[in-house]
Amino acid sequence: SQTIHQWPATLVQPVGSPLSLECTVEGTSNPNLYWYRQAAGRGLQLLFYSVGIGQISSEVPQNLSASRPQDRQFILSSKKLLLSDSGFYLCAWSVRRKETQYFGPGTRLLVL
Amino acid sequence: DQQVKQNSPSLSVQEGRISILNCDYTNSMFDYFLWYKKYPAEGPTFLISISSIKDKNEDGRFTVFLNKSAKHLSLHIVPSQPGDSAVYFCAASDKGSARQLTFGSGTQLTVLP
Repeated sequence: SQTIHQWPATLVQPVGSPLSLECTVEGTSNPNLYWYRQAAGRGLQLLFYSVGIGQISSEVPQNLSASRPQDRQFILSSKKLLLSDSGFYLCAWSVRRKETQYFGPGTRLLVL
Repeated sequence: DQQVKQNSPSLSVQEGRISILNCDYTNSMFDYFLWYKKYPAEGPTFLISISSIKDKNEDGRFTVFLNKSAKHLSLHIVPSQPGDSAVYFCAASDKGSARQLTFGSGTQLTVLP
């Protein structure tokens, strides 16, 4: 069966520090991969998606970036965090061209 | 511009009764609609979906209804159980190869024992 991992579960970072969140998927090949952010009391906002290694599409302009160095690995990064980057970050995967996405456990990021 | 809207931020229902969660959309190009359930500090869990060519899909206690002319869908939970208490998100999928999902803002369902 397929599983999706995210780490860390919780992160507290000072403003201006770098960020690296990692997501890996097991038990599938060539998945579509997604990064979402949920701000407090809000819905899920799509940040990035990838349909293959090295292919990244950005949905929202911000100081975040994403990379997909391997087929089942998706990384969310920032060179300098802002207070507004605080939130709950979710990684998701789907079978290529299928509509159902499956989410990881999420990372709670607090920027102080 | 919110393409997927859940206008009720919260809903309280007595245990054993029916819960009805509503969702409206504006984009006619959406071809699949999904419902997710989310507990605090966890990732959303997929519940049920419906293709735009159908008007009803049922899975156990969960039924989703789609009214394309009204651009409206609803999730019915019968009977409601205390463990159903969570935030429910409606999502819509486009037809692109990336199958992006557009989410509503969620409805907090509380099932009272």
